[in-house]
Amino acid sequence: QKEVEQDPGPLSVPEGAIVSLNCTYSNSAFQYFMWYRQYSRKGPELLMYTYSSGNKEDGRFTAQVDKSSKYISLFIRDSQPSDSATYLCAMSPSGANSKLTFGKGITLSVRP
Amino acid sequence: DVKVTQSSRYLVKRTGEKVFLECVQDMDHENMFWYRQDPGLGLRLIYFSYDVKMKEKGDIPEGYSVSREKKERFSLILESASTNQTSMYLCASSFGLSNEKLFFGSGTQLSVL
Repeated sequence: QKEVEQDPGPLSVPEGAIVSLNCTYSNSAFQYFMWYRQYSRKGPELLMYTYSSGNKEDGRFTAQVDKSSKYISLFIRDSQPSDSATYLCAMSPSGANSKLTFGKGITLSVRP
Repeated sequence: DVKVTQSSRYLVKRTGEKVFLECVQDMDHENMFWYRQDPGLGLRLIYFSYDVKMKEKGDIPEGYSVSREKKERFSLILESASTNQTSMYLCASSFGLSNEKLFFGSGTQLSVL
C-alpha cells in the first residue's frame, strides 16, 4: 500500500458545484496535512494547512482531517472556473526537517 | 512575496550531455529542494539541502547531484543525461525547521533526446 493515495481523476464539474477531493494515507506518524494547488505551467502553491485532526475553513475552501480513518478531504463550495487546477495533498510527521509525502494529484476542471 | 526562480522554462538536451538546472530564492530560506514531476507518478524528491554546503539524498537521487555554494542558490546536475530523465523539474524552498509550507518555482521542462 502506498503511503498516500489520491483519487486519480480527472474531475469535471459545472460552475457552482460543491467539489470534494480526498486522500487516504497509511502512516500513523503523519501530523501535518496540506493541500497544494497547481495551475497549468506553474509550480504548486500552498492552499490549506492543518495540524492533526479537525476542520479548517478559508473562504470557499474547507480542509478536513480524520486521523482515525486516515482520511483527508478538501471541499470547494460554489466552485469557479478559476478553481480549475491540479490539487495535490501532502503530509508530514512532526519533528524538525520532516519531509513531505505528496499524493499524485487530481486535475479539476470547472465548466462555466 | 517569496520568489523562487528557475533559470530555464524549457530545455532540450542530448543523451550523455551534462545538464545544469539552476534555482534561486530571494527570501533567505534555509531549506531548498529539487523535485521531479511525472504524469502518474506525482512529485518525487531528488535532493534537498538544509544549509549551505549541505545536501541530502531524497527518494530518487540516482543519476543526479546537487550543489549549494550560496544560501540562495541550489543547483541540480545531471552528470550524463538520459532519456528517462525527461521530466518537469521543480525547485522549492522553505523557512526554518518545518517544511510544510514549500514555495515552488515555475519548473523547468527538460527533454532529453
